[in-house]
Amino acid sequence: DSGVTQTPKHLITATGQRVTLRCSPRSGDLSVYWYQQSLDQGLQFLIQYYNGEERAKGNILERFSAQQFPDLHSELNLSSLELGDSALYFCASSVTSGPGDTQYFGPGTRLTVL
Amino acid sequence: QKEVEQDPGPLSVPEGAIVSLNCTYSNSAFQYFMWYRQYSRKGPELLMYTYSSGNKEDGRFTAQVDKSSKYISLFIRDSQPSDSATYLCALEGRGSQGNLIFGKGTKLSVKP
Repeated sequence: DSGVTQTPKHLITATGQRVTLRCSPRSGDLSVYWYQQSLDQGLQFLIQYYNGEERAKGNILERFSAQQFPDLHSELNLSSLELGDSALYFCASSVTSGPGDTQYFGPGTRLTVL
Repeated sequence: QKEVEQDPGPLSVPEGAIVSLNCTYSNSAFQYFMWYRQYSRKGPELLMYTYSSGNKEDGRFTAQVDKSSKYISLFIRDSQPSDSATYLCALEGRGSQGNLIFGKGTKLSVKP
């Protein structure tokens, strides 16, 4: 158990809908990262927050947004869902935001868009 | 050319075999090299971490980085059925904010 928690475990929804994925980092970690894992693209970085502020953006669609709250938990919002958004979404956390800091991954949320 | 290339396998070996997993990369700015293990329906877990070139050993696992060839390897000695998982290499640049670039993963199966 990495200490990172994610809810829900599974989410099934329809095209055009909006969902929110939640992540609680390990105790003491200030950085939260969101990744998307699909069969064809592999594990891809979406966005990073450090102590409530956005620090880095990867291949995140405009339909997706995230935030980190004062208690350091983070939410990833996915809207106008398309079939191609079906994937595993992972949250990771680390103590700081610098390079070389170990990232610990949560168990993931499996999103299925029908 | 993709930033990181990793043979997806699947790779099937008998118990006790030595396993070699590899990634190649194109960006010489990468300074941090990691191997993650991911069991089916679980999140990736960090297995090995190496900074710059060289070797690192941890029990049955050895990670090698050759920056001149842009080639990284993970060796597993005396492989066990419990090693059956997908192994992902992950790379990070010195100037990055911590976002990792992952290979697509190699699926390993160790048969008893």
